[in-house]
Amino acid sequence: EPEVTQTPSHQVTQMGQEVILRCVPISNHLYFYWYRQILGQKVEFLVSFYNNEISEKSEIFDDQFSVERPDGSNFTLKIRSTKLEDSAMYFCASKIEGNTEAFFGQGTRLTVV
Amino acid sequence: AQSVTQLGSHVSVSEGALVLLRCNYSSSVPPYLFWYVQYPNQGLQLLLKYTTGATLVKGINGFEAEFKKSETSFHLTKPSAHMSDAAEYFCAVSDQAGGTSYGKLTFGQGTILTVHP
Repeated sequence: EPEVTQTPSHQVTQMGQEVILRCVPISNHLYFYWYRQILGQKVEFLVSFYNNEISEKSEIFDDQFSVERPDGSNFTLKIRSTKLEDSAMYFCASKIEGNTEAFFGQGTRLTVV
Repeated sequence: AQSVTQLGSHVSVSEGALVLLRCNYSSSVPPYLFWYVQYPNQGLQLLLKYTTGATLVKGINGFEAEFKKSETSFHLTKPSAHMSDAAEYFCAVSDQAGGTSYGKLTFGQGTILTVHP
């Protein structure tokens, strides 16, 4: 069964460093998302991506964040200069079209020290 | 704007007992509603969804949920709990993608289900 794949599963980085979280969405999907879940809190929307551009973003998704689909298969989230409060589980999701369910990856646990 | 409220951050039941996890939503447009389950150290797995049509929807692992527009609710039930149901459950709402919407999900705060032998 097709699945969304995220790498790495766990990343530890020093405050101020840049990190790139990688996702391979399901191959025929058209809508892509990043969500995050700070420990003990709800899952929060960060950004959606459609037709090779950001379609919607939350107030969390400030200038420190960027997304890219560099080669038609990978979908990346970059955090330019990490802060302690960026520590969270980051989930990538994709869907085939708008009116269907999203499929989530297993998540990348980012720890900023 | 959309929002989801899950009543009860923790629910504890005995094995074999009824499971009822409550979800109320707010949406200015007809909603799409979802329940996701998260097992420890794993991602989010879709249990069931409501988009249009029949208001009682059945999902995996014996779960079902009923969309009640008048009550703005989408409660999750299972007649008989199993130990393997222990997990965190998230209710989520999405508006229909199209126009200015791209189908983002707004999640509730989650309910941790504990099942006792």
